[in-house]
Amino acid sequence: QIQLVQSGGEVRQPGASVKVSCKASGYTFTDYGINWVRQAPGQGLEWMGWISGYNADTQYAQKFQGRVTLTTDTGTSTAYMELSSLRSDDTAVYFCARDAGEEYDNSGYYPGWFDPWGQGTQVTVSS
Amino acid sequence: SYELTQPPSVSVSPGQTARITCSGDALPKQYTYWYQQKPGQAPVVVIYKDSERPSGIPERFSGSSSGTIVTLTISGVQAEDEADYYCQSADSRGTYRVFGGGTKLTVL
Repeated sequence: QIQLVQSGGEVRQPGASVKVSCKASGYTFTDYGINWVRQAPGQGLEWMGWISGYNADTQYAQKFQGRVTLTTDTGTSTAYMELSSLRSDDTAVYFCARDAGEEYDNSGYYPGWFDPWGQGTQVTVSS
Repeated sequence: SYELTQPPSVSVSPGQTARITCSGDALPKQYTYWYQQKPGQAPVVVIYKDSERPSGIPERFSGSSSGTIVTLTISGVQAEDEADYYCQSADSRGTYRVFGGGTKLTVL
């Protein structure tokens, strides 16, 4: 079955960086993009960015531009999210999620939905 | 930046109908997706492309759209439907994805 398995929880000090991995299985990695979404304690879902599994093109949410880097390793079907200059308000569960069902037509581009999701990775930023 | 607006909470009794709305200026131009999230779990899509239901999602879940407002309807709500629900879409060009703030559904 299609599955995304994320790396384990991390604890970092303010100002440091963290890199979370997301290993895909059960489908052809290069056929789909991967999104990264985070959820702070007691808060809602926040989209951070997207990376193409095909050519590593990226799109970052404006809030995270310059601080987040998305990469892929097609040889191991793994996506990575690195967040730098960590602050206490970056404490959150970070999810990866595969794109599904994107469409193009003469009118434009319609991104798909997120399915499946990884299990989430807790990142704690604390001194 | 583009935003989607949901009510923070909705409460219904078992067997009643719950309606959760999501509003955004670009919703007429982009599909909306709905996710259910239970505590400690990853979200699960319950409606895609405004009104399509994935396999395995009960028929009581349905979606509709009208202009800049989309609605998730849960008919005959059951206790197991108590969860947070998020709408998700994109800006008019499809460049940036966005989530609504989430709605906590309470089954009384």
